[in-house]
Amino acid sequence: AQRVTQPEKLLSVFKGAPVELKCNYSYSGSPELFWYVQYSRQRLQLLLRHISRESIKGFTADLNKGETSFHLKKPFAQEEDSAMYYCALSGNQAGTALIFGKGTTLSVSS
Amino acid sequence: DTGVSQDPRHKITKRGQNVTFRCDPISEHNRLYWYRQTLGQGPEFLTYFQNEAQLEKSRLLSDRFSAERPKGSFSTLEIQRTEQGDSAMYLCASSPGHHGYTFGSGTRLTVV
Repeated sequence: AQRVTQPEKLLSVFKGAPVELKCNYSYSGSPELFWYVQYSRQRLQLLLRHISRESIKGFTADLNKGETSFHLKKPFAQEEDSAMYYCALSGNQAGTALIFGKGTTLSVSS
Repeated sequence: DTGVSQDPRHKITKRGQNVTFRCDPISEHNRLYWYRQTLGQGPEFLTYFQNEAQLEKSRLLSDRFSAERPKGSFSTLEIQRTEQGDSAMYLCASSPGHHGYTFGSGTRLTVV
């Protein structure tokens, strides 16, 4: 079965602390993995995807096929990072629908 | 073109009534997706269009749900005989063909 698991509903950290939002997936084949973010009162938006191997707003995510994980990391959290984060996967054919996890709320306090 | 637009933003309806939502995608995007999101859950896939063709439907899309995308531009999602369990945020997204979705702000449906 295709599934995305985000084990933490809430992650609270202090400003400047490292952040790791966990994501594990189940998929038969080679999926594409994404992180989406939703800031308060804003629409869901793409943060990064594994094929780009890029760093956005200081966040990175490495696809570990052996552990079927795609954890999102940032070395030093900022208050403006507070948001809901969703991990998602899709098949590698164009147009395949995204499957989302339940999301993790990140709360960064000073 | 300011992105994906959804109308209305909020809809309150009585159980048993029919409702219709509209999504206007980014004009050059040929793929359009509908998702549903309930409290504490991530978005759940409902259906997908490539141009005017509806290519995939989720098991979540019961017979009371129907979606159209005439002429491959805007799309409508209709729910007939609404039930309280239909209360959710209905999200629309569009894509140019690779996997970068652009989401709308959603339509929040409350069935009373």
